[in-house]
Amino acid sequence: KAGVTQTPRYLIKTRGQQVTLSCSPISGHRSVSWYQQTPGQGLQFLFEYFSETQRNKGNFPGRFSGRQFSNSRSEMNVSTLELGDSALYLCASRGENRYNSPLHFGNGTRLTVT
Amino acid sequence: GESVGLHLPTLSVQEGDNSIINCAYSNSASDYFIWYKQESGKGPQFIIDIRSNMDKRQGQRVTVLLNKTVKHLSLQIAATQPGDSAVYFCAENGDSSYKLIFGSGTRLLVRP
Repeated sequence: KAGVTQTPRYLIKTRGQQVTLSCSPISGHRSVSWYQQTPGQGLQFLFEYFSETQRNKGNFPGRFSGRQFSNSRSEMNVSTLELGDSALYLCASRGENRYNSPLHFGNGTRLTVT
Repeated sequence: GESVGLHLPTLSVQEGDNSIINCAYSNSASDYFIWYKQESGKGPQFIIDIRSNMDKRQGQRVTVLLNKTVKHLSLQIAATQPGDSAVYFCAENGDSSYKLIFGSGTRLLVRP
């Protein structure tokens, strides 16, 4: 079974621009979550989608948004980029049972904002 | 490689020794815990999980211990190998959501 796939692997953007990151979950997984990883703040939850609906949201500004498509693929968007948005953005998917299906992560998209 | 954390606590062990990585979790209502391993340039990789109705769970060369009284979790790695060098994170889940709260991580270095 293929793992979680994220594209692109690396991105360099300028302050004020916007960016879209893409994620394909493990086949059969309908839950997709996004996390931000930085050296200072560690791994922080952004949001989670299930069957095209946002089910939970972390404590991030409205510039961070996401969506999920009918095939469970997901995208996240960051508008009006700031230098502090430079991070590794990780997508993860899981099955429906909270205890028997832990989150499986992709290798992330490394975003650099200059 | 890319830096996961600049000031992570580091555990250095000799190849072949056993490693113990500790984690204090924050929410006494958390009922599901997971350990992840993250190598440079990669995403976190699932190692082992445990529910709060258990004190111990064993996998291949790894054991997780849960002490709910003091909100403490540990990961034991037997016969540590160079390939075990990575950053290890504990994570907790305390409600019906799928949101995980991650610890700050521990860097494991295996000396040959």
